[in-house]
Amino acid sequence: NAGVTQTPKFRVLKTGQSMTLLCAQDMNHEYMYWYRQDPGMGLRLIHYSVGEGTTAKGEVPDGYNVSRLKKQNFLLGLESAAPSQTSVYFCASSYVHTGELFFGEGSRLTVL
Amino acid sequence: RKEVEQDPGPFNVPEGATVAFNCTYSNSASQSFFWYRQDCRKEPKLLMSVYSSGNEDGRFTAQLNRASQYISLLIRDSKLSDSATYLCAVRGAAGNKLTFGGGTRVLVKP
Repeated sequence: NAGVTQTPKFRVLKTGQSMTLLCAQDMNHEYMYWYRQDPGMGLRLIHYSVGEGTTAKGEVPDGYNVSRLKKQNFLLGLESAAPSQTSVYFCASSYVHTGELFFGEGSRLTVL
Repeated sequence: RKEVEQDPGPFNVPEGATVAFNCTYSNSASQSFFWYRQDCRKEPKLLMSVYSSGNEDGRFTAQLNRASQYISLLIRDSKLSDSATYLCAVRGAAGNKLTFGGGTRVLVKP
């Protein structure tokens, strides 16, 4: 059972480049989330989805877009990467109305 | 003021000692509370939920104080393997979003 899988694990971008992070979960969870984690800032919610075809903004959505075309996948896109988006990105999923989030291993993104 | 705040530490704890730390939250309508553990360069994992009556899981005890709007985590008989960052998480009344604190780093030393 893979749980939550994120790809890629590491990526280096130049300012202005675009990329997509893929999150896949095999637990049939309704809810999926993208967080970023920066030193001293904890986990900050970027976007989340409460089901296939739905997305909603979190705490820090600017500069990111998301899509949930299939229940098991949640994509995070950076259209024009900026150095401020250098971070560790975590995807998570959960059942409806439960607090336990299951996290992927994280994706380390560096924007030069 | 941040929604969820924690002392970043580090808390340097001798092996076998007890350590406790708190997490404060600003929204009095918050519904659910949790402690997650995060090892260095790893993903967070649920340590325990925090119930109104308090709960205990082995050496770990979590408490909720709604009047003062904080939750606490106490670790007894600390082990070297308890060294980690402990993140508190709070779920608001509006939905299933979890808001995390910045984490408290605990270092258990021989």
